[in-house]
Amino acid sequence: EVQLVQSGAEVKKPGESLKISCKGSGYSFTSYWIGWVRQMPGKGLEWMGIIYPGDSDTRYSPSFQGQVTISADKSISTAYLQWSSLKASDTAMYYCARLTMVQGVIIAPFDYWGQGTLVTVSS
Amino acid sequence: DIQMTQSPSSLSASVGDRVTITCRASQGIRNDLGWYQQKPGKAPKRLIYAASSLQSGVPSRFSGSGSGTEFTLTISSLQPEDFATYYCLQHNSYPPRLTFGGGTKVEIK
Repeated sequence: EVQLVQSGAEVKKPGESLKISCKGSGYSFTSYWIGWVRQMPGKGLEWMGIIYPGDSDTRYSPSFQGQVTISADKSISTAYLQWSSLKASDTAMYYCARLTMVQGVIIAPFDYWGQGTLVTVSS
Repeated sequence: DIQMTQSPSSLSASVGDRVTITCRASQGIRNDLGWYQQKPGKAPKRLIYAASSLQSGVPSRFSGSGSGTEFTLTISSLQPEDFATYYCLQHNSYPPRLTFGGGTKVEIK
């Protein structure tokens, strides 16, 4: 069974750093891309970026380039989303999801999702 | 970048009603579109991929249609468990870009 299990909720202060995780199981972790999706309170879904754990090839949405860092450790089948200096506006639910892309063409986006990680940034 | 305009943003319907949600792309995206259902406090769930293919395990009352710039999600007979928010997602762009529609909240009438 394909599963993506995310790390738990976080409460942080503005200016702090944070790294949240997404662990895949039940499939070949290095054969699929992992994407991150933001959902701000009461709002819709926004694509942030994707990573291929096989070689750590990473693509960012222009809206999030430079704001976050996406990484992966294929040895433990885990992808990460990190911030170096959080802002109150980073308060949101963050989801990871699996994606299939071949030669730059997305074939099957977001077929399996993690349960979400709630990040709250408040002074 | 490709923009996705989803309508309506919300609707009220009764159990048994036929419900239709539309997404329009700002340029042609072939059939590179999926539909997702999200219930409160839960992760989104894929219902439809490639515009009209039903995800395994999803009830057949859900169907998708369209190609190019206009796409439709239809629920043929609304059930109590279908009250949720629905999103379209396009993935046609190169370099890779994904764009969600703004969402449609389906509420009980």
